[in-house]
Amino acid sequence: DAKTTQPNSMESNEEEPVHLPCNHSTISGTDYIHWYRQLPSQGPEYVIHGLTSNVNNRMASLAIAEDRKSSTLILHRATLRDAAVYYCILPKAGNMLTFGGGTRLMVKP
Amino acid sequence: NAGVTQTPKFRVLKTGQSMTLLCAQDMNHEYMYWYRQDPGMGLRLIHYSVGEGTTAKGEVPDGYNVSRLKKQNFLLGLESAAPSQTSVYFCASSYAWTAVANYGYTFGSGTRLTVV
Repeated sequence: DAKTTQPNSMESNEEEPVHLPCNHSTISGTDYIHWYRQLPSQGPEYVIHGLTSNVNNRMASLAIAEDRKSSTLILHRATLRDAAVYYCILPKAGNMLTFGGGTRLMVKP
Repeated sequence: NAGVTQTPKFRVLKTGQSMTLLCAQDMNHEYMYWYRQDPGMGLRLIHYSVGEGTTAKGEVPDGYNVSRLKKQNFLLGLESAAPSQTSVYFCASSYAWTAVANYGYTFGSGTRLTVV
């Protein structure tokens, strides 16, 4: 199974853009890249997913490298409410999500 | 609001007691999952179900049993609770194929279980 590597933590200032990196050098051609986040004392919530092309939705943007060995989740204007643990996940065959340690994002006012 | 509902939200058990955690979803999802999350760690899959009447083991199934008698419900049972099962338990559901679904997994808000 493809493995992902994320920094343990990152800091950002409120209302500034945040770029959360994820390395997945062993990704296969059919692996989708998913991002979830977990706010304090809550269950994880889906953020975005993609395969090859960059993706945008109301929450974030996902930039995928041309060789697909890395991706970046972009929050365009961080708010205090965006402070959470962000997980980059490549689902296993059969639809399983496996959660690693993720990146803890701290947002400073 | 549509989503995944977990009951109870909090529970304290004595070692050796049994209990059942209930997960209910109203999105007509085929797949349902039970995860546990220990302090400071990521989620680990306990058991999952790919449809009514089916269940399968995840990464950490020992000490737990599950049942999916109705499509909308997924029950997690602890027959003889141990302190090592102190954790936060999350239920989730999804359409059959995450890769083509727009909304991925939907998680419940969790059950905080303490075994003393």
